[in-house]
Amino acid sequence: DGGITQSPKYLFRKEGQNVTLSCEQNLNHDAMYWYRQDPGQGLRLIYYSQIVNDFQKGDIAEGYSVSREKKESFPLTVTSAQKNPTAFYLCASKRFRTAEKLFFGSGTQLSVL
Amino acid sequence: EDKVVQSPLSLVVHEGDTVTLNCSYEVTNFRSLLWYKQEKKAPTFLFMLTSSGIEKKSGRLSSILDKKELFSILNITATQTGDSAVYLCAGGYSGAGSYQLTFGKGTKLSVIP
Repeated sequence: DGGITQSPKYLFRKEGQNVTLSCEQNLNHDAMYWYRQDPGQGLRLIYYSQIVNDFQKGDIAEGYSVSREKKESFPLTVTSAQKNPTAFYLCASKRFRTAEKLFFGSGTQLSVL
Repeated sequence: EDKVVQSPLSLVVHEGDTVTLNCSYEVTNFRSLLWYKQEKKAPTFLFMLTSSGIEKKSGRLSSILDKKELFSILNITATQTGDSAVYLCAGGYSGAGSYQLTFGKGTKLSVIP
């Protein structure tokens, strides 16, 4: 079945540690996104990529980094510079840059030890 | 600054009740309004609305958009416990050759037997 796979489902970060969240899609979608969701808050855009080897900052990019070396993969690194990383992270994709409907993965819950 | 405001933020109803969820938006270069249902992890697509006054229906769910007053409603009739979820509204806009979404905070619906 086609879809978006995020791993791990749960992740714990120690102080000063960088962690990487995985996002893989087999939908042949061009555009991929990372959102952060805090309790009682909407989805806030961290980074997005509309084509391989290119990505743009979203509204809350500070303390995060991404890469897009392959069309299928868009990993998100939460760096030690992100002082409040505890949140639910959602990866999404859509067919091309002007498409409207986003498809979402099942998310990663990141907590700080 | 673009914003999407959903109300109420939470709602508790009994099975069989009818509910109306509200979404108002102020989105520059607005193109469409999307509704998603988030039960546990991955938001799933419900509706996309682009034209004013045209109701979209799927079973017990329906939605309509008013582009003059800048709002949308999502109706759920004969609610079931399976309708319990967070319902997300998003305003879609075009810019810089792409299409992006601004999400509201969501309405948490709890349906009790």
